[in-house]
Amino acid sequence: QQQVKQSPQSLIVQKGGISIINCAYENTAFDYFPWYQQFPGKGPALLIAIRPDVSEKKEGRFTISFNKSAKQFSLHIMDSQPGDSATYFCAASGASGSRLTFGEGTQLTVNP
Amino acid sequence: GAGVSQSPSNKVTEKGKDVELRCDPISGHTALYWYRQSLGQGLEFLIYFQGNSAPDKSGLPSDRFSAERTGGSVSTLTIQRTQQEDSAVYLCASSLASWAGNTIYFGEGSWLTVV
Repeated sequence: QQQVKQSPQSLIVQKGGISIINCAYENTAFDYFPWYQQFPGKGPALLIAIRPDVSEKKEGRFTISFNKSAKQFSLHIMDSQPGDSATYFCAASGASGSRLTFGEGTQLTVNP
Repeated sequence: GAGVSQSPSNKVTEKGKDVELRCDPISGHTALYWYRQSLGQGLEFLIYFQGNSAPDKSGLPSDRFSAERTGGSVSTLTIQRTQQEDSAVYLCASSLASWAGNTIYFGEGSWLTVV
């Protein structure tokens, strides 16, 4: 059972544009929602994370929006840059301690 | 070390052979995780250690897969009688503690190819 669903599978944006990736979860026991960034040949690295007691968290050009009632959260990348081209994974934990359940990933390409 | 270290970085093995993958977590991290990532796919949870014990082995796909952790540090993932469908990147990760909200740090993975 896929507990975290992520879309789109791939995304192409122009430099300077806004990239938006969406995730939906099923298990209401989840209480921590991180986003990971993965470059080819590297392991995933934490980008930004949010808890459900806030609706938005911003760190530089990256923002998480969280809708608890809809069980959805999204990543917004403002002023997207070619260096942001990577695969992004949403995740959730709390139902089983710190173990992360990941979405399927979004391959982002930012064209110069 | 500064980060999670995994070895080997690449491994090509023949079908039916056993392989061992090693993980050195960040010093002081009590929680250790193994995930599997198939080509172009998401991350599939395999097993989680708290100290030397494994309270959650629910993700191990078959009894050919096993893992252990010794001294609360190094972990080894063993795959017996490898099959072609075992080809994937095996990622190890660690965190300071096991409660949700602790940042989980990943290694760069061990790329396994079964031919």
